Amino acid sequence: KAGVTQTPRYLIKTRGQQVTLSCSPISGHRSVSWYQQTPGQGLQFLFEYFSETQRNKGNFPGRFSGRQFSNSRSEMNVSTLELGDSALYLCASRETGGSSYEQYFGPGTRLTVT
Amino acid sequence: AQSVTQLDSQVPVFEEAPVELRCNYSSSVSVYLFWYVQYPNQGLQLLLKYLSGSTLVKGINGFEAEFNKSQTSFHLRKPSVHISDTAEYFCAVLYNNNDMRFGAGTRLTVKP
Repeated sequence: KAGVTQTPRYLIKTRGQQVTLSCSPISGHRSVSWYQQTPGQGLQFLFEYFSETQRNKGNFPGRFSGRQFSNSRSEMNVSTLELGDSALYLCASRETGGSSYEQYFGPGTRLTVT
Repeated sequence: AQSVTQLDSQVPVFEEAPVELRCNYSSSVSVYLFWYVQYPNQGLQLLLKYLSGSTLVKGINGFEAEFNKSQTSFHLRKPSVHISDTAEYFCAVLYNNNDMRFGAGTRLTVKP
């Protein structure tokens, strides 16, 4: 099976702009989670989607939003970008209803806000 | 609130020496435990996992970890490290089947 893919891999945006990141999970995985990784804060959970519904949410402002489509692909949107949003954004998918439980991560999207 | 604590942010070690990366978690009825590794500019890769059964689990690249329920710990060990083991290591706990928490990470640096 193909792994988790994320597009784009690198992105440079200006403060105030908005950005959309995309994640395609492993085939058959219905849970998709998003994380923000920065040197200072480490790996922080943004939200999880399962069957097109947000199931869990981390402690991020409303500028961060997401959605999941019927094919389990997910997008994450950040509006009104701030310098502090510069980070590696990781997507992870997980099989639900099975017995493996672990998350499989994509390579990430490196977002730089100038 | 559920939490995962990695006790060391950085661990420097010489090549071929043993290493232990420590992880403690807040207790819960249902937990599944994982260790992930992240190499520069890459996503996280699963090293090993504990779901049930034997408390000593073996993973890839010669790593192993021991689940200790009474101490709520899941420490990662390797008897002899290589330069290529230099990376960031994350401990993760899945609570109640749907709440995955990660530790802050431990940067392992293997020196020649």
